[in-house]
Amino acid sequence: AQRVTQPEKLLSVFKGAPVELKCNYSYSGSPELFWYVQYSRQRLQLLLRHISRESIKGFTADLNKGETSFHLKKPFAQEEDSAMYYCALRGRGSTLGRLYFGRGTQLTVWP
Amino acid sequence: GAGVSQSPSNKVTEKGKDVELRCDPISGHTALYWYRQSLGQGLEFLIYFQGNSAPDKSGLPSDRFSAERTGGSVSTLTIQRTQQEDSAVYLCASSFRSGGGDTQYFGPGTRLTVL
Repeated sequence: AQRVTQPEKLLSVFKGAPVELKCNYSYSGSPELFWYVQYSRQRLQLLLRHISRESIKGFTADLNKGETSFHLKKPFAQEEDSAMYYCALRGRGSTLGRLYFGRGTQLTVWP
Repeated sequence: GAGVSQSPSNKVTEKGKDVELRCDPISGHTALYWYRQSLGQGLEFLIYFQGNSAPDKSGLPSDRFSAERTGGSVSTLTIQRTQQEDSAVYLCASSFRSGGGDTQYFGPGTRLTVL
């Protein structure tokens, strides 16, 4: 069965410190992995996807198939990074399209 | 251009009443999704429409929940005989096509409170 686990409900760091938001998944097949972000009073939006292999707002995430992980990292956190972050998975096949989300990690970056 | 819109933004209802939530997807998007965001539960998939294909209803939690998409555009999520556990933020998303390469764009959500 598909499952996305974000073990940290809350994460706090100081400005300028490195940050890593953990995401582990369970899926029998070749998944697509995503990170979505929801800033305060804004709608949910895509931050990055593993197939793009890009860095957005200084964030990167590498898909580790051996560890079934897709952790989100940023070397120097900024106050404006404070938000709720959701890791999501999409499978391939009959359920093409729908996303499976983790429960989210609330990141707070202190000044 | 305009993003996904949802109405109403907030809905307070009494237990046992029926409610309808509306979603206007981005023009030209063929795929439309409904999710539910509950406190401490993350985002839960409800239903998915893709073009003229039969919808994927596998996420609907009970037969009190139903959804339709008229003319391949606007969608309505209906909850009959609402219960307190239905209280949540209901999110709609749309994408140009399903499958690899598309991005789901989310609406602002409808916050439903069942008293």
